[in-house]
Amino acid sequence: AQTVTQSQPEMSVQEAETVTLSCTYDTSESDYYLFWYKQPPSRQMILVIRQEAYKQQNATENRFSVNFQKAAKSFSLKISDSQLGDAAMYFCAYRSARDAGNMLTFGGGTRLMVKP
Amino acid sequence: GAGVSQSPSNKVTEKGKDVELRCDPISGHTALYWYRQRLGQGLEFLIYFQGNSAPDKSGLPSDRFSAERTGESVSTLTIQRTQQEDSAVYLCASSLLVNNYGYTFGSGTRLTVV
Repeated sequence: AQTVTQSQPEMSVQEAETVTLSCTYDTSESDYYLFWYKQPPSRQMILVIRQEAYKQQNATENRFSVNFQKAAKSFSLKISDSQLGDAAMYFCAYRSARDAGNMLTFGGGTRLMVKP
Repeated sequence: GAGVSQSPSNKVTEKGKDVELRCDPISGHTALYWYRQRLGQGLEFLIYFQGNSAPDKSGLPSDRFSAERTGESVSTLTIQRTQQEDSAVYLCASSLLVNNYGYTFGSGTRLTVV
């Protein structure tokens, strides 16, 4: 079974600075997808960014980018120019490409605080 | 609808009572998922539906938990004889196709068992 680990329960960043959230995963598969979700106090999970394992190029979405290291099974999220609205729980998630059910396996989350 | 709607938003129930949680997915989304999120933790997969069928029920924690979906639309998650350890946020998500990796989540139901 796959596992996803987020080793930082909490992180803090100054507004306009850059922060990196860590995620590692364990799998024996070669084809899979990785995701970062944001969960604000409203509880709704919002997709931030996704990465296909077969792509070597790191995904980017505006101020959000990932550092995908397949051999190390690492998938960190970098948030540049942090904004107050970025404060939330962030979850890393894994999905097997072979999984017909499209289920996601989530890490335990990292709480990001943004200081004005 | 425009998004995934869950009701009630919050539910407080007494230990031993049954509860029903409802999820209205985005219209036309064939796949529907239920997850549980205990306080301060990540999401735990419970069950998913492809149409009205549930191919994988392995995530349901006990036989007190059941779920159904009708008309390839609304789904209800039922917890019988609730226990304090059932207290959590129950999140529903839907997607257009089972193999489409884009989920849309609802805002969840916060269940508190007292």
